Amino acid sequence: SQQGEEDPQALSIQEGENATMNCSYKTSINNLQWYRQNSGRGLVHLILIRSNEREKHSGRLRVTLDTSKKSSSLLITASRAADTASYFCATDAGGSNYKLTFGKGTLLTVNP
Amino acid sequence: NAGVTQTPKFRVLKTGQSMTLLCAQDMNHEYMYWYRQDPGMGLRLIHYSVGEGTTAKGEVPDGYNVSRLKKQNFLLGLESAAPSQTSVYFCASSGGGAGNNEQFFGPGTRLTVL
Repeated sequence: SQQGEEDPQALSIQEGENATMNCSYKTSINNLQWYRQNSGRGLVHLILIRSNEREKHSGRLRVTLDTSKKSSSLLITASRAADTASYFCATDAGGSNYKLTFGKGTLLTVNP
Repeated sequence: NAGVTQTPKFRVLKTGQSMTLLCAQDMNHEYMYWYRQDPGMGLRLIHYSVGEGTTAKGEVPDGYNVSRLKKQNFLLGLESAAPSQTSVYFCASSGGGAGNNEQFFGPGTRLTVL
């Protein structure tokens, strides 16, 4: 079953604008990760935020985590056409197998 | 380093045929995973391995078998393919470790079962 659910399912913006995607999950987690998938390619890890962290930055990416609401958001600032991709959140619920449960993704389109 | 590689990239099967998908990683990772990706469904875990010689079932294991005879390789087998197994298959590996278990993905295998 899906643990994370991204919102919105699709987002279309102009180059230079900011893009915000949200992820909600159901059970307690060790960490939450965001991945990007370009069309026809494999997923690429973007950023990991631990359950005891509230905010994390990496370049133009900003991730927040609210464990009380079981939600996370990914903000991409000053978007570029090359940011066009699907974005997935993935949760690690703990355990020695380090499994991740992925959401269904948000399709981001950045128009030049 | 090649990272995670998958072969083949594309395959068309007839119902009832069998095939094996190969995943190889050169990062000395202990953990390896097989997912399938279907439109609107995200990624679903088929089987995984926590080390050489070990395998375990994921969320959707029926109709698939796996083997991890060597640490760097993880094989996914379809014994009797069905149209419902038409999908894109991704392999991933991870070094594990609490709070640091990012996964590295291969480029995928697009499988069509007629």
